[in-house]
Amino acid sequence: GEDVEQSLFLSVREGDSSVINCTYTDSSSTYLYWYKQEPGAGLQLLTYIFSNMDMKQDQRLTVLLNKKDKHLSLRIADTQTGDSAIYFCAESRNQAGTALIFGKGTTLSVSS
Amino acid sequence: DARVTQTPRHKVTEMGQEVTMRCQPILGHNTVFWYRQTMMQGLELLAYFRNRAPLDDSGMPKDRFSAEMPDATLATLKIQPSEPRDSAVYFCASGLKANTEAFFGQGTRLTVV
Repeated sequence: GEDVEQSLFLSVREGDSSVINCTYTDSSSTYLYWYKQEPGAGLQLLTYIFSNMDMKQDQRLTVLLNKKDKHLSLRIADTQTGDSAIYFCAESRNQAGTALIFGKGTTLSVSS
Repeated sequence: DARVTQTPRHKVTEMGQEVTMRCQPILGHNTVFWYRQTMMQGLELLAYFRNRAPLDDSGMPKDRFSAEMPDATLATLKIQPSEPRDSAVYFCASGLKANTEAFFGQGTRLTVV
């Protein structure tokens, strides 16, 4: 399809790992991004991965990329209540002048 | 402190009124985006500019919406006349290229009654 797809909701307990999944559309996309949106705020870039990488780790965050299946995931280790937010996946298509394409966002709810 | 600044943060207006939202992109960024966020549609790209020229405004209803960049430090999004279905949060973002990371403002929450 033409859309970046994400599941809408994820609920986890504090201390558990969270895995947020995303399916993107263009196999030639160069960069894939994860943004975080806290209530009442704008989107904040969390991390990104270049398309020639399979994995990127940044402290509690691990990004996995499966180019064959066009599947991207964000794993948050030791999830905290402060991680509760909406997480957006975005792809950068390999087409000059094309803006980032965002998914609809996954709402992560962390309970203590 | 480099950030995208949007004004106003909140706007309540009556149907039929003109609404103007403003955005100051990060200094040095030459690409500016306007997005609209609603519960139903998620984040929609309305328009974006590069070097103040519109590159793509296909996501914007042309009959009532207009976007401009009078200069490199100001982008505006205007709705005239506004309708209740325009109620949403409007985000401005800026970046160095259209297809690389975008930095978002805090948004303008618009309510049309």
